[in-house]
Amino acid sequence: EAGVTQSPTHLIKTRGQQATLRCSPISGHTSVYWYQQALGLGLQFLLWYDEGEERNRGNFPPRFSGRQFPNYSSELNVNALELEDSALYLCASSTGLAGVEQFFGPGTRLTVL
Amino acid sequence: AQSVTQLGSHVSVSEGALVLLRCNYSSSVPPYLFWYVQYPNQGLQLLLKYTSAATLVKGINGFEAEFKKSETSFHLTKPSAHMSDAAEYFCAVSDQTGANNLFFGTGTRLTVIP
Repeated sequence: EAGVTQSPTHLIKTRGQQATLRCSPISGHTSVYWYQQALGLGLQFLLWYDEGEERNRGNFPPRFSGRQFPNYSSELNVNALELEDSALYLCASSTGLAGVEQFFGPGTRLTVL
Repeated sequence: AQSVTQLGSHVSVSEGALVLLRCNYSSSVPPYLFWYVQYPNQGLQLLLKYTSAATLVKGINGFEAEFKKSETSFHLTKPSAHMSDAAEYFCAVSDQTGANNLFFGTGTRLTVIP
């Protein structure tokens, strides 16, 4: 069974640009979660999508947005990039039930210059 | 609101010694608790989880954790450390209100000394 996949592995952008990160969940999973792992800040929840809708949002500015497609894959968009957006962005998927395991992808390393 | 505190950002143990990684949680409703491990340049892998069944939870690779409501703790233990256990460990909490997102602790980096 294929795990959660993310693309690209690495992404280098300059300040002010836009970044798009992609995630494909495990087959049968309807929920996708995005987390940011920045140096010194730990893992912080960004967004949760389930059945195509945004279910919850972390404490991030509106320039962090995303969507979930009918095949349950998801993309995260970061507009007007700032230096502090440099981080590892992790995507996870689950069946959407409370308390079940979230399966994580390997992440996308975003570097903003 | 939920939160997790992991005491000790770095823990070093000798190979074969007991591993104890501490986690305290705060939650206004019954929590779900998780321990994840992250190896260098990889995503997170679930070690074990507590979802209000048995308070002593056994996970993969010989790890276990005990849920203690009175102490709001969910410490991770392993009787005998192996070199392959060297990694970063994260405790996380979610709750039963329907918000499935995880709140993570700041992580504990475990070093195993040969």
